[in-house]
Amino acid sequence: GQNIDQPTEMTATEGAIVQINCTYQTSGFNGLFWYQQHAGEAPTFLSYNVLDGLEEKGRFSSFLSRSKGYSYLLLKELQMKDSASYLCAVKDSNYQLIWGAGTKLIIKP
Amino acid sequence: GAVVSQHPSWVICKSGTSVKIECRSLDFQATTMFWYRQFPKQSLMLMATSNEGSKATYEQGVEKDKFLINHASLTLSTLTVTSAHPEDSSFYICSARGGEGDSTEAFFGQGTRLTVV
Repeated sequence: GQNIDQPTEMTATEGAIVQINCTYQTSGFNGLFWYQQHAGEAPTFLSYNVLDGLEEKGRFSSFLSRSKGYSYLLLKELQMKDSASYLCAVKDSNYQLIWGAGTKLIIKP
Repeated sequence: GAVVSQHPSWVICKSGTSVKIECRSLDFQATTMFWYRQFPKQSLMLMATSNEGSKATYEQGVEKDKFLINHASLTLSTLTVTSAHPEDSSFYICSARGGEGDSTEAFFGQGTRLTVV
């Protein structure tokens, strides 16, 4: 079956750095996405990786290793507004998005 | 990025009535639209995939006669929850995609919070 694993919840301090991991087992791979979702709102796109390596976009970076079925989202200089759920999603061989359950990130002052 | 508008943002309805949710792509042609349901503290659950002009493909366990999906044009898809019951209360989200296998992600509507009383 298809499976995406990410931690349920993480806590970090304002101004610090946090890394959210995602491992996946899917039928085929056509890219991995990270989304941010605040409570009661729809997800918003953060990043897309299809090749191995690190993609940096401001305070957020995303890394992919296809051979290991592994990705992480790195958030730097954490702000209180970064408190949200972070969803990892993989596009499989049929170009369907397979979603992880999301990681709830709690930022403390 | 592309804009997807979903309406209404929230709706409260009586048990047994039907509710229609609209999803519009405002600045691109959406060949494929996806409908998701999300219960509190859970991830997105794909309900169905619809391609313009053809019948929607429903995921296992989703009743197609209860959740009617129409994708009549390249910019509009609708989800009608028929004979709604309290257990249908959930957050419904649509997303739209412009091209098959496109590397860019599908864009999400704002979501609709449905409460059935």
